[in-house]
Amino acid sequence: NAGVTQTPKFQVLKTGQSMTLQCAQDMNHNSMYWYRQDPGMGLRLIYYSASEGTTDKGEVPNGYNVSRLNKREFSLRLESAAPSQTSVYFCASDSKRAGDYGYTFGSGTRLTVV
Amino acid sequence: GNSVTQMEGPVTLSEEAFLTINCTYTATGYPSLFWYVQYPGEGLQLLLKATKADDKGSNKGFEATYRKETTSFHLEKGSVQVSDSAVYFCALSDQAGNQFYFGTGTSLTVIP
Repeated sequence: NAGVTQTPKFQVLKTGQSMTLQCAQDMNHNSMYWYRQDPGMGLRLIYYSASEGTTDKGEVPNGYNVSRLNKREFSLRLESAAPSQTSVYFCASDSKRAGDYGYTFGSGTRLTVV
Repeated sequence: GNSVTQMEGPVTLSEEAFLTINCTYTATGYPSLFWYVQYPGEGLQLLLKATKADDKGSNKGFEATYRKETTSFHLEKGSVQVSDSAVYFCALSDQAGNQFYFGTGTSLTVIP
């Protein structure tokens, strides 16, 4: 099925460890996004990539880095995990075609930092 | 700046009751408006959208009308089912479509 695929689905890290969250979409979308979801705070944008080769900071970029590897893949890296980064992370993509846009979300990565 | 405000939850309704979840927005220009639904353990799914004033988005019995005069996009359903239990997010996309802004979500529980 076409869509956005995120891996892993669950992860537990120790403080200071690093990891990369993977995201891939097969809908030929130009734009991709990383959000975090925390109770009572809705979704907050971490980074986005409007097109292959470009990335920009969102609302809460500190402690994260991203790579737009190609048009399909957009990864999120935590270099030194902190307990404050315990969250559910969602990747999304968007076609940006006029009249047809709207995000397609992955199923999420639940990350716990202990 | 752009922002979305939606009613606080949680909301608990009996099956077949009428549902309204309020959403108001602040935006420059002419944003597009969306409702997303998140079922337990899943990602957000687009429920409906409206791209200009007075448009009505509808899907699965849910409706919302883009009201520019009141800057609102309230979600309604005439008769909810247990399977509608989920978290509902109102969102807007700026006029250029460069970024989405989400509300904090409203949790709905429908009891038999």
